[in-house]
Amino acid sequence: DQQVKQNSPSLSVQEGRISILNCDYTNSMFDYFLWYKKYPAEGPTFLISISSIKDKNEDGRFTVFLNKSAKHLSLHIVPSQPGDSAVYFCAPPQNAGNNRKLIWGLGTSLAVNP
Amino acid sequence: EAGVAQSPRYKIIEKRQSVAFWCNPISGHATLYWYQQILGQGPKLLIQFQNNGVVDDSQLPKDRFSAERLKGVDSTLKIQPAKLEDSAVYLCASGQGTYEQYFGPGTRLTVT
Repeated sequence: DQQVKQNSPSLSVQEGRISILNCDYTNSMFDYFLWYKKYPAEGPTFLISISSIKDKNEDGRFTVFLNKSAKHLSLHIVPSQPGDSAVYFCAPPQNAGNNRKLIWGLGTSLAVNP
Repeated sequence: EAGVAQSPRYKIIEKRQSVAFWCNPISGHATLYWYQQILGQGPKLLIQFQNNGVVDDSQLPKDRFSAERLKGVDSTLKIQPAKLEDSAVYLCASGQGTYEQYFGPGTRLTVT
C-alpha cells in the first residue's frame, strides 16, 4: 500500500516555462513534507520542504504548495532550466519517536528541453 | 563542510559472494541511514542508526544483510551471500535533529 503517490512518472517542459510536479498521500498523520532532486549517478539532494501548518513555501524558483484537505502537494519550478532535469521525489517523514523514516514516492522524471 | 562519503562507487560481484560498503557521514550527524534503491523506485530504508544504536532495521533482510556503526561515526553495510535481486544502488545518508537527510553519492552494486 503506497502512502505516497507520484502519479506522473515523467514530465517534459520547455525551458523558461513552469514545471508542476504532483504528489498525493494517504496518511493524514504526515505533518512535514520534503522534496528531493536526484541526478543520475548521484545521491538525492534535499530541495525544499513544507510544514503542514503552512500551505506554501517558496525558495527562489521553487515553490511547494500543500492542500491538506485534498492530501496533495505540488512543486512548481519557474522558470524551468535545463539543469533542473532530474528525478524529483516527494518524501514525508513517518514520525515515530526517534524514527525519522522518510516515506518515498516513486519519483517523477523531469526533462527540461532547451 | 564535507558531505557524506561512500565507497566504493561501483562494485560487480557474482551471486553468493560477499560485499561490503563503507559510509562516513557528515561530521557531527548523529543519525545515519542505509537505503537500497532499485531502478525506477524510491529509496527503501534498510537500517537507521542513532549514534551507534539501531533505531529501525525492520526492512533489513537479516539473513544476508548486516550493518554496524561501532563508534557512532562511520558505518559498514555487508551482504553475504549476495543474490541477483540485490543489484541496486546503496545509499547512505546522515542527519542531525531535523527531518532533512543528506545523501552520499551511492554505491552501484551489480550481482551477476
